[in-house]
Amino acid sequence: AQSVTQLGSHVSVSEGALVLLRCNYSSSVPPYLFWYVQYPNQGLQLLLKYTTGATLVKGINGFEAEFKKSETSFHLTKPSAHMSDAAEYFCAVSDRDDMRFGAGTRLTVKP
Amino acid sequence: KAGVTQTPRYLIKTRGQQVTLSCSPISGHRSVSWYQQTPGQGLQFLFEYFSETQRNKGNFPGRFSGRQFSNSRSEMNVSTLELGDSALYLCASSAKQGTEAFFGQGTRLTVV
Repeated sequence: AQSVTQLGSHVSVSEGALVLLRCNYSSSVPPYLFWYVQYPNQGLQLLLKYTTGATLVKGINGFEAEFKKSETSFHLTKPSAHMSDAAEYFCAVSDRDDMRFGAGTRLTVKP
Repeated sequence: KAGVTQTPRYLIKTRGQQVTLSCSPISGHRSVSWYQQTPGQGLQFLFEYFSETQRNKGNFPGRFSGRQFSNSRSEMNVSTLELGDSALYLCASSAKQGTEAFFGQGTRLTVV
């Protein structure tokens, strides 16, 4: 079965700094990979997804992620953090049969 | 296209009672999954239904149950509520199993 590991349950950055949230996965088949964002007392909202094709995926709000098969990674980045990016972020992997979520990373943005 | 709708948004129940939560998926979606989210345990998978059949079940006691109707709407039920059942319960729907999941806003259950 596939699984996801998010490195760092909390990440803190200054406004304007680079955001890097780490995600490693394991899957016995070529995976589908997702990043979701959750604001307080809300459901999860899809930021971006990788299924096939280009390994660099661009999502909403200026986020992007790169699928690196050799490293089994799908790290989420944003060049310049905004205060509004403060939220919890979840990485997920699917083998087309089941979807599994990571434990989440809470992003804090300092002014 | 309407999103995933969960009702009610907020609920307060007493220990020992039971509760039923409802989820209406996006039109045309046949897969519905339920998750429990708490500060201590994070996002935990409860179960998934596809075409009225439970496909997967997480590691929760039998007090947690669910079902899916022919119109893909789903309900989950928790019997004999415990204080530890206080959580945000999230429902997600997908067009096909294992594909992009769309989440509702959740039901915040508080057990007192």
